Amino acid sequence: GAVVSQHPSRVICKSGTSVKIECRSLDFQATTMFWYRQFPKKSLMLMATSNEGSKATYEQGVEKDKFLINHASLTLSTLTVTSAHPEDSSFYICSAGGTGRVGTEAFFGQGTRLTVV
Amino acid sequence: GQQLNQSPQSMFIQEGEDVSMNCTSSSIFNTWLWYKQDPGEGPVLLIALYKAGELTSNGRLTAQFGITRKDSFLNISASIPSDVGIYFCAGQLTSGTYKYIFGTGTRLKVLA
Repeated sequence: GAVVSQHPSRVICKSGTSVKIECRSLDFQATTMFWYRQFPKKSLMLMATSNEGSKATYEQGVEKDKFLINHASLTLSTLTVTSAHPEDSSFYICSAGGTGRVGTEAFFGQGTRLTVV
Repeated sequence: GQQLNQSPQSMFIQEGEDVSMNCTSSSIFNTWLWYKQDPGEGPVLLIALYKAGELTSNGRLTAQFGITRKDSFLNISASIPSDVGIYFCAGQLTSGTYKYIFGTGTRLKVLA
């Protein structure tokens, strides 16, 4: 399968600061990556689609100014949580699929646990 | 946000027992995926299904793509303690893409 890596795995930040989370495809190129958010004991909720070289597409109810997404290369997408507040504390996970592959399975990073204090 | 209905929500089973879980939707999907998630980790892909009626196995796991394309089933045979975790189904939102929505999850606990 394809390998997707996220960094950092855990981050604690102060309220009002910004935090950047990286998602990398290690052994394939990804024109699109996806960012999910997961609350404790809940399912994954799609936040946005990260498009290489163009603007991200956000799901309904997700604030694009709060969650900035940049996909500057075919192997890297970043999610920046701006002016973080305690309610932004959550588990953030990215996924990607490889280009040129027959199937369309999505592979996930290991996730980033964000705690805002 | 949109989610798929998954059942059961949780289950306790004895080691060695078989487990079944299913996922249903009001929408038709072209691809169903099944994932397992351990605490603090990202989901790991178990099985991918691409055709209605398809039955696919991966070791002790067997999954089926419902004939109506609105449901999918996952069976685990002869469960072992390491099967503990949360299982999610995922339906492909847009055909030909990697964009998926997830089921509500089935939390499995295996009693040794």
